[in-house]
Amino acid sequence: NAGVMQNPRHLVRRRGQEARLRCSPMKGHSHVYWYRQLPEEGLKFMVYLQKENIIDESGMPKERFSAEFPKEGPSILRIQQVVRGDSAAYFCASSPIQGDTEAFFGQGTRLTVV
Amino acid sequence: AQSVTQLDSQVPVFEEAPVELRCNYSSSVSVYLFWYVQYPNQGLQLLLKYLSGSTLVKGINGFEAEFNKSQTSFHLRKPSVHISDTAEYFCAVRQTDSWGKLQFGAGTQVVVTP
Repeated sequence: NAGVMQNPRHLVRRRGQEARLRCSPMKGHSHVYWYRQLPEEGLKFMVYLQKENIIDESGMPKERFSAEFPKEGPSILRIQQVVRGDSAAYFCASSPIQGDTEAFFGQGTRLTVV
Repeated sequence: AQSVTQLDSQVPVFEEAPVELRCNYSSSVSVYLFWYVQYPNQGLQLLLKYLSGSTLVKGINGFEAEFNKSQTSFHLRKPSVHISDTAEYFCAVRQTDSWGKLQFGAGTQVVVTP
């Protein structure tokens, strides 16, 4: 059973471009969480999704950021018109049921905006 | 709302010496408590968790933590560290009645030297 897969592992974008980060949860997991880790900081919650539904997006910036988890395929975190301050590591975690006390984390996507 | 404070940003320690990483939290509701480890350029791995019951929790790789409700602390310990324990360690909490959103501390970097 493969773990949570995130790709790409590293992503470089110029200011103003779009960044698309993908997360494939573990097999059988239908709950996905996105966290952002800024340099020298802990992880901050961004969004929680179930298949085809956004459950909690209280940590998402109001503009330029969006997330989806379609019925088929990976969850996508999209950042439009990236700025230098978006440079961070973005982690995805998944769990099989809501409220499960262990979420499994992927290895993250490290976004660098130049 | 909850908050998590990791009192040490960096802890240098010699190989085979003991280590303690301090974590304090505040919350107006019941919480679960977690310690995660992040090796360089890797995702987060769960070390241990406290849900209920015995306040001394044993985890993987020889780590243990003690939940102290009166002091709202959840300190992590290992009696004898190895070079391979060099990593960043994160304390996290989540509400017991929530869907699973984690609130992380800022992390403690442990550097083990021979």
